[in-house]
Amino acid sequence: NAGVTQTPKFQVLKTGQSMTLQCAQDMNHNSMYWYRQDPGMGLRLIYYSASEGTTDKGEVPNGYNVSRLNKREFSLRLESAAPSQTSVYFCASSPQGTSWGETQYFGPGTRLLVL
Amino acid sequence: KNEVEQSPQNLTAQEGEFITINCSYSVGISALHWLQQHPGGGIVSLFMLSSGKKKHGRLIATINIQEKHSSLHITASHPRDSAVYICAVIPGGSQGNLIFGKGTKLSVKP
Repeated sequence: NAGVTQTPKFQVLKTGQSMTLQCAQDMNHNSMYWYRQDPGMGLRLIYYSASEGTTDKGEVPNGYNVSRLNKREFSLRLESAAPSQTSVYFCASSPQGTSWGETQYFGPGTRLLVL
Repeated sequence: KNEVEQSPQNLTAQEGEFITINCSYSVGISALHWLQQHPGGGIVSLFMLSSGKKKHGRLIATINIQEKHSSLHITASHPRDSAVYICAVIPGGSQGNLIFGKGTKLSVKP
């Protein structure tokens, strides 16, 4: 049971380049999330997918797109990277994502540097 | 706007000390999480609670819904407890989306 995996672990991009961050979970969870973590700030939700086939914007969605490819995989795409997108990106999943709350399981993170 | 505030921001303790980290929030919630972020960056969930108190080993989490406040206590602290501790709340009625505090960086010296 690998839990939540993310690739790549580290990436350097030039301004304007595009890339996709991959996330997969093997826990049969319905809900998946993408967060970014910046120094001095709490984790912020970029996009989430409450279930396969659905995606919704979070707090900071501008500059990003997502795809819930299947129940296991949730990718985050930067179409034209900007230095402001330099951050650590975490993917997470939870069994249902219901309003009464449940544990979220986090991936190891991807460190992205945009020059 | 800071809907979730943690204090202190940084905390240094000697091994064996009793530690308290506080979390205050301004919104109605359905649940509150305490998470631990290791120096290497990995994040694990410690507790999820919506009322009362939970205990796991040397860790105790309490919540007072009326006062919109939660505390995380560590008894007999150890250098391996050094990490960033993050409080996160689920606003009432949301689909499990968390609002995070900025974290408390704990360093336990031997």
